[in-house]
Amino acid sequence: QVTLKESGPVVVKPTETLTLTCTVSGFSLSNSRLGVSWIRQPPGTALEWLAQILSNDEKAYNASLKSRLTISQDTSKSQVVLTMTNLDPVDTATYYCARIFKGSGALDIWGQGTTVAVSS
Amino acid sequence: DIQLTQSPSSLSASIGDIVTITCRASQSISSHLNWYQKKPGRAPKLLIYTSSNLQSGVPSRFSGSGSGTNFTLTISSLQPEDFATYYCQQSYRVFTFGGGTKVEIK
Repeated sequence: QVTLKESGPVVVKPTETLTLTCTVSGFSLSNSRLGVSWIRQPPGTALEWLAQILSNDEKAYNASLKSRLTISQDTSKSQVVLTMTNLDPVDTATYYCARIFKGSGALDIWGQGTTVAVSS
Repeated sequence: DIQLTQSPSSLSASIGDIVTITCRASQSISSHLNWYQKKPGRAPKLLIYTSSNLQSGVPSRFSGSGSGTNFTLTISSLQPEDFATYYCQQSYRVFTFGGGTKVEIK
């Protein structure tokens, strides 16, 4: 069974750095046909794609957030990590990781999401 | 960046209705367009990939079409479990999501 699970802090203070971990099971991060994306949804607004990493370690970022984001992976731990610097209350959202099927670019399996509040 | 514009942003429909949602890309994306269903408190669910391919396990009342810049998601006979928000997503150049279409009960 393929699963992804997000973990990280529930509350972060403004200006701090957020580190989120996506732990996957049922597939390998080394699989050349697959990758992992991070997506978020602030309350009452649309989904927003943040970043992705592929099996060959190729990375891509949302242009408007690129300066604040870093994505990396540890294939031995089956984990993908997203860091976001200089948090602001507008970054309050539910953060999801999802598997990318490279053939279609579709996000075919999603984690349950983790809610992060940015507040002092 | 490639922008995706969905219309309408919301709609009201009755059980059994045919529902059509459109997604327009700011430039040609060939068929690199996917559709998702999102319900409150739940993760998004992939419905359609590469414009017209039904994801495994998704009911056949969902269908997609289009290429280039104009795409459509159709629900042929709306069911109670279909009331949700629907998003398109392009994978032609990096990823982008549309603004969403909320389908509500009439």
